[in-house]
Amino acid sequence: AQKVTQAQTEISVVEKEDVTLDCVYETRDTTYYLFWYKQPPSGELVFLIRRNSFDEQNEISGRYSWNFQKSTSSFNFTITASQVVDSAVYFCALSEAPDNFNKFYFGSGTKLNVKP
Amino acid sequence: EPEVTQTPSHQVTQMGQEVILRCVPISNHLYFYWYRQILGQKVEFLVSFYNNEISEKSEIFDDQFSVERPDGSNFTLKIRSTKLEDSAMYFCASSEGFERGGRVEQYFGPGTRLTVT
Repeated sequence: AQKVTQAQTEISVVEKEDVTLDCVYETRDTTYYLFWYKQPPSGELVFLIRRNSFDEQNEISGRYSWNFQKSTSSFNFTITASQVVDSAVYFCALSEAPDNFNKFYFGSGTKLNVKP
Repeated sequence: EPEVTQTPSHQVTQMGQEVILRCVPISNHLYFYWYRQILGQKVEFLVSFYNNEISEKSEIFDDQFSVERPDGSNFTLKIRSTKLEDSAMYFCASSEGFERGGRVEQYFGPGTRLTVT
């Protein structure tokens, strides 16, 4: 079974539109971390955010916001007023306590295309 | 800002040859990792390394793979006898480490694209 599911393979929006990237995770542990990473066309993986399982407070950072809901095992990522530079593949990831959080399980990624 | 570096950026090798991929983790990080990403697919965990030994490895990390920290700064991944299916982007990552009271997020290098012909 997939530990992290990103059902949206590819999304295309026009600049300035808002877009939400979905992430659903599966774990039996009560202590875990969730992450979002951005992979631009250049290929590197850029860390965006970390959330632990005990902190369901939503977070906003500029145009980015994250909605963590344990009840639905989701950790969704919203980009407000998207820009062309947001075009990238976005990965959601999970790490769990039994591995001391050292092993990341990545979703398959969502490719975001922002058109001018 | 400190970053993870990897060399080379692209390596082409023939099937059956040995390759060594090199990484320099962030200097105050104690935990090191290798992941791979086959073109267009998800990023997959290979191995984690702490205190000069492997702490966790995946089923992908078989006897063909080995890791080493030969000195105080480099972290290497060796593939003993490459196969066509080893063609992928290999990412090195490092973290402060939860067990040491540090942050758990891993910082990734830019990757080495390995092409096996």
